[in-house]
Amino acid sequence: GAVVSQHPSRVICKSGTSVKIECRSLDFQATTMFWYRQFPKQSLMLMATSNEGSKATYEQGVEKDKFLINHASLTLSTLTVTSAHPEDSSFYICSARDLASGQETQYFGPGTRLLVL
Amino acid sequence: GDSVTQMEGPVTLSEEAFLTINCTYTATGYPSLFWYVQYPGEGLQLLLKATKADDKGSNKGFEATYRKETTSFHLEKGSVQVSDSAVYFCALSGKRVTGGGNKLTFGTGTQLKVEL
Repeated sequence: GAVVSQHPSRVICKSGTSVKIECRSLDFQATTMFWYRQFPKQSLMLMATSNEGSKATYEQGVEKDKFLINHASLTLSTLTVTSAHPEDSSFYICSARDLASGQETQYFGPGTRLLVL
Repeated sequence: GDSVTQMEGPVTLSEEAFLTINCTYTATGYPSLFWYVQYPGEGLQLLLKATKADDKGSNKGFEATYRKETTSFHLEKGSVQVSDSAVYFCALSGKRVTGGGNKLTFGTGTQLKVEL
């Protein structure tokens, strides 16, 4: 099946620094990737939709200058948390839609746990 | 807006017991419905899906039927195993997003623990 990877799997950083998270589709092309945030014992909340070659579409309440998304190729999207603060600590998950399948199914990465000290 | 409600966990069962995890939804139009499973330390995996009313999705012994009249998509399995221990998420596919694909709305997840 389709595989999505994320890197890093876990990151600890100091308050005020920026952190970049990569999301890759390993064996398929994805024009659309999605970024989610998951708080402990809560559901996944969609942050933004990342489209290859164009600007990301952010959900209401998500700061686009805080969470920078770049989708430079059909297999890679990056999320950069700028000037991270402790309240940004969370589990970030990406997913990708298989272009060739023409279906709605999204394939999820294993997630990145961010801890801001 | 769209929403998904799942029963709260954790659900603890003995091996070979019958499993039901309730899921109801609110949505406009005719969404597709999904169950995803998240094993410890891993990402979400699609377990099964149904795209229209009365469809039954099934996989690995799990089943769920799309009930439009009750806006439900309950997950069932006749005999659970220890290896089924995981968190299960119900989701619906709603409005289309820019670039293609549909936005997924998730429930809060239900943790299942199966003991010997």
